[in-house]
Amino acid sequence: SAVISQKPSRDICQRGTSLTIQCQVDSQVTMMFWYRQQPGQSLTLIATANQGSEATYESGFVIDKFPISRPNLTFSTLTVSNMSPEDSSIYLCSATGTGGRNYGYTFGSGTRLTVV
Amino acid sequence: RKEVEQDPGPFNVPEGATVAFNCTYSNSASQSFFWYRQDCRKEPKLLMSVYSSGNEDGRFTAQLNRASQYISLLIRDSKLSDSATYLCVVRGKDSSYKLIFGSGTRLLVRP
Repeated sequence: SAVISQKPSRDICQRGTSLTIQCQVDSQVTMMFWYRQQPGQSLTLIATANQGSEATYESGFVIDKFPISRPNLTFSTLTVSNMSPEDSSIYLCSATGTGGRNYGYTFGSGTRLTVV
Repeated sequence: RKEVEQDPGPFNVPEGATVAFNCTYSNSASQSFFWYRQDCRKEPKLLMSVYSSGNEDGRFTAQLNRASQYISLLIRDSKLSDSATYLCVVRGKDSSYKLIFGSGTRLLVRP
């Protein structure tokens, strides 16, 4: 499985500001995803990061709030824009190849965001 | 109805116990199934994939019933280190490769 380096690991931000989270994968992967995990909850998919094109967002998430870039097969960023306390959460990136039906998905270690 | 449903627990069991987790999924077209483990303040990690024929990995056994849209995970001879949240995860048949996560079942193994 791929290894993902995600940073920052945590941050405390003022409301109204933006934070960009980065994920670097140690090998070329086909798919990259961004998830949010709110306290005591499971993971909710924000979007699929598409290489060289606009991300595909899930219902309830929009590009203006969560712009995503994926300039190549090994790197992606998620920006949380104009933050409010409701954005306090853990944000995780995930990556996988598509070599088979039950390929593994790897996760970054997460970014714990607190908005004050 | 949630796409993937799990009993939230917590399951509080003594060391050495056998514990079973259940999961149901709503999309009959789902193609791939997994159990992930998530420790407190850590990222999810793949525990095992689930195959139609059922599969076993040491103390862990996973079963899939496509007709009932039901997935299970059995842990035998529980260890203290098994304490974690167990996430039932499903991937659809479409080309999106998106994973859909259950809410997780928390397991506490006590001495």
